[in-house]
Amino acid sequence: QVQLKESGPGLVAPSQSLSITCTISGFSLTSYGVHWVRQPPGKGLEWLVVIWSDGSTTYNSALKSRLSISKDNSKSQVFLKMNSLQTDDTAMYYCARHGGITTGFDYWGQGTTLTVSS
Amino acid sequence: QIVLTQSPAIMSASLGERVTMTCTASSSVSSSYLHWYQQKPGSSPKLWIYSTSNLASGVPARFSGSGSGTSYSLTISSMEAEDAATYYCHQYHRSPFTFGSGTKLEIK
Repeated sequence: QVQLKESGPGLVAPSQSLSITCTISGFSLTSYGVHWVRQPPGKGLEWLVVIWSDGSTTYNSALKSRLSISKDNSKSQVFLKMNSLQTDDTAMYYCARHGGITTGFDYWGQGTTLTVSS
Repeated sequence: QIVLTQSPAIMSASLGERVTMTCTASSSVSSSYLHWYQQKPGSSPKLWIYSTSNLASGVPARFSGSGSGTSYSLTISSMEAEDAATYYCHQYHRSPFTFGSGTKLEIK
């Protein structure tokens, strides 16, 4: 079955950078795109970036300068890197499968919590 | 960017009551690219309704979606306890692929 699972450092100091990994199973990254979405505590969802099946990318322009997405198709992993972290980057970070433009994000990971604090 | 405004922000309904929540876009969104997600506390969002009116797998038939252009809605024909959750609309019409701020549905 389709699964996505995020993993990350948990706690990062302000101004530092981080990398979060989304490990997928049950489908191929060469056939589906994967998005990153975050949710600050008690708040709504914010779309960050997508890496498409062909490896091309689309970024939220508001965060583009601080984000980088990549993937390793052979390892079924997608990587999100974010630099210059601030306290308002504290959030749950989800990866989600792009089910199709008319289908939305059809599968989501459980999320990984990132806390930015000194 | 396309801003999605959901109303009400919080609502409560009695069991068996009909529930309607709305999602208004700041500019026109193709109905094929407007989706809804359900999220319960401590869980990740779940795709609930796609392309305005299509129920995702496993979603009860008491749910329905409608709309076009800038105005969309999600309706529950008869509220059940398991429907208590936050519902987010989401547009895939244009990047950035924004979400509404959510409607939190509680049991009265």
